[in-house]
Amino acid sequence: ETGVTQTPRHLVMGMTNKKSLKCEQHLGHNAMYWYKQSAKKPLELMFVYSLEERVENNSVPSRFSPECPNSSHLFLHLHTLQPEDSALYLCASSQDRVDLTDTQYFGPGTRLTVL
Amino acid sequence: DAKTTQPTSMDCAEGRAANLPCNHSTISGNEYVYWYRQIHSQGPQYIIHGLKNNETNEMASLIITEDRKSSTLILPHATLRDTAVYYCIVRGDSGGGADGLTFGKGTHLIIQP
Repeated sequence: ETGVTQTPRHLVMGMTNKKSLKCEQHLGHNAMYWYKQSAKKPLELMFVYSLEERVENNSVPSRFSPECPNSSHLFLHLHTLQPEDSALYLCASSQDRVDLTDTQYFGPGTRLTVL
Repeated sequence: DAKTTQPTSMDCAEGRAANLPCNHSTISGNEYVYWYRQIHSQGPQYIIHGLKNNETNEMASLIITEDRKSSTLILPHATLRDTAVYYCIVRGDSGGGADGLTFGKGTHLIIQP
């Protein structure tokens, strides 16, 4: 247990559906992250939030929409996804991004399948 | 692109020390070396990090060469549960705060009984 939880753990959705992934951290951290891990590809950073403000968006398609209502919660809203978006979506949190000793802790991930 | 080079896979006998190498020849003076591991289909787990001194914690030791161009992660007494993909990551600061982690392909460590 890292103190970062993600729900649901598994999700199957059609291309016309709208769904949301939820991440919650119980560590009192101020920064949260979304990563994507496709089959046989390295983890890719998608979004970074610091103090509920988005500070990084790595050229992610607009069909992925993040939301950070407070420093403990992070959502990833999904709509009109493609089958190639099927992947493991990982959330992480860290104390802050002030210096390079700031360690990120990951949740267990949501396994998403788009039909 | 990842700034590190690691072997694709390694085997180690249970109970022996596992030594995982990493090359990071272009590392800058203020960049840290981080190690994470990922057991199949789980979230990555933080192991250790260092700047230039050797580091040790309850999980592993990190040995960084004096020129900082390479490092070795040491698991002192490997168990079957240490079978995982191990990622060596160089982490910098792009000016707006610590960067997100850039993962490469890592080393698939297989502990043999």
